[in-house]
Amino acid sequence: QLQLQESGPGLVKPSETLSLTCTVSGGSISSSSYYWGWIRQPPGKGLEWIGSIYYSGSTYYNPSLKSRVTISVDTSKNQFSLKLSSVTAADTAVYYCARHVHGGDQYNWFDPWGQGTLVTVSS
Amino acid sequence: SYELTQPPSVSVSPGQTARITCSGDALPKQYAYWYQQKPGQAPVLVIYKDSERPSGIPERFSGSSSGTTVTLTISGVQAEDEADYYCQSADSSGTPLFGGGTKLTVL
Repeated sequence: QLQLQESGPGLVKPSETLSLTCTVSGGSISSSSYYWGWIRQPPGKGLEWIGSIYYSGSTYYNPSLKSRVTISVDTSKNQFSLKLSSVTAADTAVYYCARHVHGGDQYNWFDPWGQGTLVTVSS
Repeated sequence: SYELTQPPSVSVSPGQTARITCSGDALPKQYAYWYQQKPGQAPVLVIYKDSERPSGIPERFSGSSSGTTVTLTISGVQAEDEADYYCQSADSSGTPLFGGGTKLTVL
């Protein structure tokens, strides 16, 4: 059974870079059928897709966050990572990683999801 | 910018049928997906490609599509179905986006 687990600091200072890692177990991140994505949810609010990566390193990002986001993959560790720069309080959220079933512009969904990790931006 | 619109809340009594709608201009061309999120938990996929149900999801969950509106239907609602439900689709460039979410209350 595929499982994903987020890890990283729970507190980040304003203007610094948020860094999180997602470890995939029970399956290979190098599967040709899937992308791997990051989604966030501010407290009490809805879901926002951040970006996704293919095992080859190909990425695509939410245009609203693209200038601050970098997603990378380490196939040897079965992990992928998120970096979000110049954070503000508005970036405080639960950050989820998920397998992204993506077929060009044909289909596009997330399953399963990690349990999520709360990142607070505060001095 | 493109948006998916959901009602903020829906209330039903146990055993009744709950219908949650999601509207968006691109829905005739893009599949819709539905997620259930209970408090403090990660979202769980309950419907994919408009009407397909993943393994392990009860048969009482179903999805349908008509024009610019997709609908998640929960037949014979149970207390355990109380949760937030999010629709998800993509814009014309394939960028995923989510609706604002609907809180389902089981009275």
